[in-house]
Amino acid sequence: EAGVAQSPRYKIIEKRQSVAFWCNPISGHATLYWYQQILGQGPKLLIQFQNNGVVDDSQLPKDRFSAERLKGVDSTLKIQPAKLEDSAVYLCASSLGHGSTGELFFGEGSRLTVL
Amino acid sequence: DAKTTQPTSMDCAEGRAANLPCNHSTISGNEYVYWYRQIHSQGPQYIIHGLKNNETNEMASLIITEDRKSSTLILPHATLRDTAVYYCIVRVAYNQGGKLIFGQGTELSVKP
Repeated sequence: EAGVAQSPRYKIIEKRQSVAFWCNPISGHATLYWYQQILGQGPKLLIQFQNNGVVDDSQLPKDRFSAERLKGVDSTLKIQPAKLEDSAVYLCASSLGHGSTGELFFGEGSRLTVL
Repeated sequence: DAKTTQPTSMDCAEGRAANLPCNHSTISGNEYVYWYRQIHSQGPQYIIHGLKNNETNEMASLIITEDRKSSTLILPHATLRDTAVYYCIVRVAYNQGGKLIFGQGTELSVKP
């Protein structure tokens, strides 16, 4: 079974530029999550989708971050304009959703460096 | 969701059991204890979870105290590949809106 796919694995940009990350969850998983992990810290939940609807985006800095999951499958996370403090690994995860044990499956992440 | 307290780091000799403690003194009756681990440069990986009873799977055992205020994750025969950050997380069931909120975790170093 294929895991959660993310791209790109690495991205270097200058501050005030924009960047987009893509995630393809495990087939059949209704719930998709984006986490931000700053070096030395645990992952922080940014946004949670159930199918193509947003369940929780309370921690998403909406002035510069946006995310969509248009057809309830893959998802894109965008940052515009980027700041130095956005340097982090962006992790995508998916789970079955309702009826699941709550196990999340994570991708390998996209590492962003903002110069 | 209740908070958890874990030691910042631990060492373990290869082949020995690794016992990782977690305190969750404010846990509620409907909250589960989850353990994930994160190997360097990878995404977190689910290990095990439990509500009241002790649990065992092919990766580890989870021992939850009777009052549920603390738990221990046991890796019975640690290998070098078990070197990782281990996260103890308390959450309600998914269908009750439970979210996976990560703390700092315990950095486990397995040494030859």
